[in-house]
Parts: sequence; structure tokens; C-alpha cells
Amino acid sequence: GAGVSQSPSNKVTEKGKDVELRCDPISGHTALYWYRQSLGQGLEFLIYFQGNSAPDKSGLPSDRFSAERTGGSVSTLTIQRTQQEDSAVYLCASSLGASPMFGELFFGEGSRLTVL
Amino acid sequence: DAKTTQPNSMESNEEEPVHLPCNHSTISGTDYIHWYRQLPSQGPEYVIHGLTSNVNNRMASLAIAEDRKSSTLILHRATLRDAAVYYCIPSSGNTPLVFGKGTRLSVIA
Repeated sequence: GAGVSQSPSNKVTEKGKDVELRCDPISGHTALYWYRQSLGQGLEFLIYFQGNSAPDKSGLPSDRFSAERTGGSVSTLTIQRTQQEDSAVYLCASSLGASPMFGELFFGEGSRLTVL
Repeated sequence: DAKTTQPNSMESNEEEPVHLPCNHSTISGTDYIHWYRQLPSQGPEYVIHGLTSNVNNRMASLAIAEDRKSSTLILHRATLRDAAVYYCIPSSGNTPLVFGKGTRLSVIA
């Protein structure tokens, strides 16, 4: 389909390992967002890319978290030295633009990360 | 960001209308009111958004108070598939959407 694609859908890792989560946004969407959702909790904003502008990293919880967006398309969220509290579903979303007129976010199905 | 207040949970019978309220008394003049919902084990999905006038689409209607300090999402005939967490989010679009705790809607057959 033409929706937002995330991989892996599930990842189990050991504490201290690094993980990479990938997001393929909808083609042509200039805005890309990462959120995470811990069990039973609401969505927590992590980072936002809009076109060629510098990303809004204000939601990243620590310097162990980083994200890149290559060529204005695919994005990778990297978590270094994972901790148990990093266990959550990591959700990626894209939108046509930042304006509210194009502001409909399309979410992927998420990557469930479990840190043992 | 404007602060929002939504009921933690609501319940509806199948085939009946549902009115989901949201208070956003600190909304700014440029904030649109967005509604998203999250079905179990899925990412959120867009429902509707509006600025001042009431809005209708195939999923729902959005009624916005004249002073814009509150809004109501209306599902005209609830189905079992409408059971989800509904989020009301004021946003100008210049910053990422901030999802609160939302309202968990249960639909009873």
C-alpha cells in the first residue's frame, strides 16, 4: 500500500544494545514525525522533520536518542545503549505539509521495542 | 500549546449518536482543532479538523463553540468499530501535534 511503513514491527533487545528503527513516509510528504507510546500511556512527541529545515528535536528524552532523515524521505530513529524504560511502541507519521490545511497526519503501525 | 480537558472515558450503545466533548479555553486565534482516534493496537488516525465553522465529513461532525473554547465531536451512529481513544488537539500547525490522554470510547452492542 501507499501508507507509512515502519520496520521492524517488533524488536526485542538487551539492555545496553543500540537499536535502529526505520520509517518510510508517504511519497511526497514533506513533514515526518516520531512519537512513542508506552504501555497504557498517551503519545509522546520525539522529533519532527519539515522539508530542509533543521529538525525540531525538543521531544527527545536524552542524548541516547537521535534521528536522521535522508534525502527528505526515509527516516531512522536510533537509540543507543537502550534502557528498560525505552520499551514502548515507536510511531512514525508523515504529512503533506506543516500547515493545518495539510496537517492530516498519517501514522504507521509502529515498531514495538522491548528492552530486556 | 492550548491545554485541553476531555472526559477519561465514555460509553455508548451501538447505532446511537455519541457526543465527545473537549474544552480548550486557552486556544489561540490561529489554532485549528484537530481530532484523531486510536483504535486498539493501531496508530492514531485522523478524524476531522476545523477552525471556526462546524465541519462534516464521512466519519464525523465537529461542532465548535462560538467562542472556540470548546468543541464536540459527533459520531452520528456509533458502531463497534468506533471503540477507540479520541484525542482533541488544538494546533496552529507550526508545531507538532501534542496528544493528551484523550477519551476512551466504549461501544456496547
